[in-house]
Amino acid sequence: QLQLQESGPGLVKPSETLSLTCTVSGGSISSSNYFWGWIRQSPGEGLEWIGSIYYSGSTYYNPSLKSRVTISVDTSQSQFSLKLSSVTAADTAVYYCARDASARRWFDPWGQGTLVTVSS
Amino acid sequence: DIQVTQSPSSLSASVGDRVTITCRASQSISTYLNWYQQKPGKAPNLLIYGASSLRSGVPSRFSGSGSGTDFTLTISGLQPEDFATYYCQQSFTTPLTFGGGTKVEIK
Repeated sequence: QLQLQESGPGLVKPSETLSLTCTVSGGSISSSNYFWGWIRQSPGEGLEWIGSIYYSGSTYYNPSLKSRVTISVDTSQSQFSLKLSSVTAADTAVYYCARDASARRWFDPWGQGTLVTVSS
Repeated sequence: DIQVTQSPSSLSASVGDRVTITCRASQSISTYLNWYQQKPGKAPNLLIYGASSLRSGVPSRFSGSGSGTDFTLTISGLQPEDFATYYCQQSFTTPLTFGGGTKVEIK
């Protein structure tokens, strides 16, 4: 059964870079049928797609965040990572990683999520 | 960006009720519409993909319909474990976007 697990600091200072890693287990990150995505949810708010990556390294970003986002993949470690630069309090959110069905782009399954707070 | 608007934003219902949630896209998205259930403190779970296909393991009381711009999620016979927030998501084009959610509460 495929599982995803986010990891990384829960507290980031304003103007610094948020870095998270998602570890994939129970399946191959190198499947040609899937992307691997990041989605966030601000406290009490809805869901926002950040971007997705293919195992080859091809990336797709939300234009609203594109200037600050880098998503990378390490197939040898079955991991993909998110970096979000120049963070502000508005970036405080629960960050989820999820498998992104490449043909029809639904997310399943999701990691449990990790809360990242931006504060000095 | 394609906007997806859910209605209502919240509703109160009783166990056994039939519940319908609507999602409207700002332009035609064929059947590129997915539905998720989220319980407090948990990640969303996929319920329906491609507007009407039930994810394996999801109870058959959940159903989805629609195409183009108008979609519905129906819960036929609400169960106690169905009280949650439901989100739709369009996957027709990037940026992938979600509806604002519908919170289903106990009446």
